[in-house]
Amino acid sequence: GQQLNQSPQSMFIQEGEDVSMNCTSSSIFNTWLWYKQDPGEGPVLLIALYKAGELTSNGRLTAQFGITRKDSFLNISASIPSDVGIYFCAGQSPMTTDSWGKFQFGAGTQVVVTP
Amino acid sequence: DTGVSQDPRHKITKRGQNVTFRCDPISEHNRLYWYRQTLGQGPEFLTYFQNEAQLEKSRLLSDRFSAERPKGSFSTLEIQRTEQGDSAMYLCASSLIQSLNTEAFFGQGTRLTVV
Repeated sequence: GQQLNQSPQSMFIQEGEDVSMNCTSSSIFNTWLWYKQDPGEGPVLLIALYKAGELTSNGRLTAQFGITRKDSFLNISASIPSDVGIYFCAGQSPMTTDSWGKFQFGAGTQVVVTP
Repeated sequence: DTGVSQDPRHKITKRGQNVTFRCDPISEHNRLYWYRQTLGQGPEFLTYFQNEAQLEKSRLLSDRFSAERPKGSFSTLEIQRTEQGDSAMYLCASSLIQSLNTEAFFGQGTRLTVV
């Protein structure tokens, strides 16, 4: 089962507003990834984070790797209708080289943008 | 090669039938992963390959499930004697493992419905 807690579960926002969501873990990770998934499609990678404290942007998206290595957050600024979708966090355990590339996922945050 | 490709996109089958899905990873990627995603949840890890070797299988993968990657390129996931509980989105992902910093890229998924 999933070990990541992602919140909020859903968000209903107006176009132009900012969105913030986060993930927390009971164990440390060495990589955090954020994905967006549209209905009936596979997840699309948005941002990758590799160092504690790292802050990375991709257009209107900004994500941070928490200092404790147990959390991460994603912000979307000035939301637009095409931001609608489900956003997932994913974390990679640093335990062994076999675990590299194997990710645990949160349950997702559903974002709905209204005009 | 523009990304991970999965076939078919959709599959409807009767309970008890066998089904097989195919995944073609990004060509230079050495790791290939299978995940399963049910409604309202994030992807859950099933199994993965390093080249042609299957390195790990989740306990989610019952004896009715088998995956292969015979030449270290494409992979197949077979489900025998399908059950209604097997209905889900089956996602394939690939990554290039060269260092601790890695990213997983997903295909569009195969939506399985068992009736």
